[in-house]
Amino acid sequence: ETGVTQTPRHLVMGMTNKKSLKCEQHLGHNAMYWYKQSAKKPLELMFVYNFKEQTENNSVPSRFSPECPNSSHLFLHLHTLQPEDSALYLCASSQDGPRDREGDTQYFGPGTRLTVL
Amino acid sequence: GENVEQHPSTLSVQEGDSAVIKCTYSDSASNYFPWYKQELGKRPQLIIDIRSNVGEKKDQRIAVTLNKTAKHFSLHITETQPEDSAVYFCAAAGGSYIPTFGRGTSLIVHP
Repeated sequence: ETGVTQTPRHLVMGMTNKKSLKCEQHLGHNAMYWYKQSAKKPLELMFVYNFKEQTENNSVPSRFSPECPNSSHLFLHLHTLQPEDSALYLCASSQDGPRDREGDTQYFGPGTRLTVL
Repeated sequence: GENVEQHPSTLSVQEGDSAVIKCTYSDSASNYFPWYKQELGKRPQLIIDIRSNVGEKKDQRIAVTLNKTAKHFSLHITETQPEDSAVYFCAAAGGSYIPTFGRGTSLIVHP
C-alpha cells in the first residue's frame, strides 16, 4: 500500500478505555504529524516528529501520548479521554524538516474518526 | 510564530463562475504556500502550491498568486464545477518547516 495509512478508520471508546491510533507512511519521509480536526474548526496541530524525535507538542493534554518508534510509524495512545476529544484525527508526513529548511508538501492519511462516549 | 488568516469562511457560487479565496500571513520568512482541498469525509490533498521566488502559478482551472510585499496569497478557480465543492485550506511555511494552516473555506458550487 502506498502513501499514508491510518488504522482504525473509526473508533468508539468510553472515557475509561485505553486505545491507540496507528499511522504508517510508505513515502520515505522523515517528519510525521498528528492533527485534530473538529467540526467547523481549523486543523489543530498536536505533535510533530522529525527523524523520530519529538520537535513539537502543541500544549496537548497528557491523556494523548504520542510514540514514534521509527520514521515510518507514528502512534497516538489515548487514555481517559473526554467527550470533547471526539474528532477526526489526521496523520501526515513530509519529506524532512530541519528548522531552517523550506516547507514541504504534507501528505495526509485518511484519518481516524474518534467518538468518545 | 506564523499567523495565517483565510477569507471567506464560506463561499457560494453558481456553476461556471469563478471563485477566489484569500489568505494573509505574518512571518516574512515564510517561503512556501500550499493549498489543500478536503472533500467531505476525505483527507486533505494538495492541489497547488507556490514558492516565494514566483508570483503566480497555474494548473488548468486553478491558479495561485503571491504578493510577498503585502504578505498575501490567493487561490483562483475558474469555470467552477459541482465537484469543486469542498473545504479549501491555505498554509504558510518556511520560517519553520511546520506549516501553519488557515481556518478553511467551504466552497459550494451550485449546479
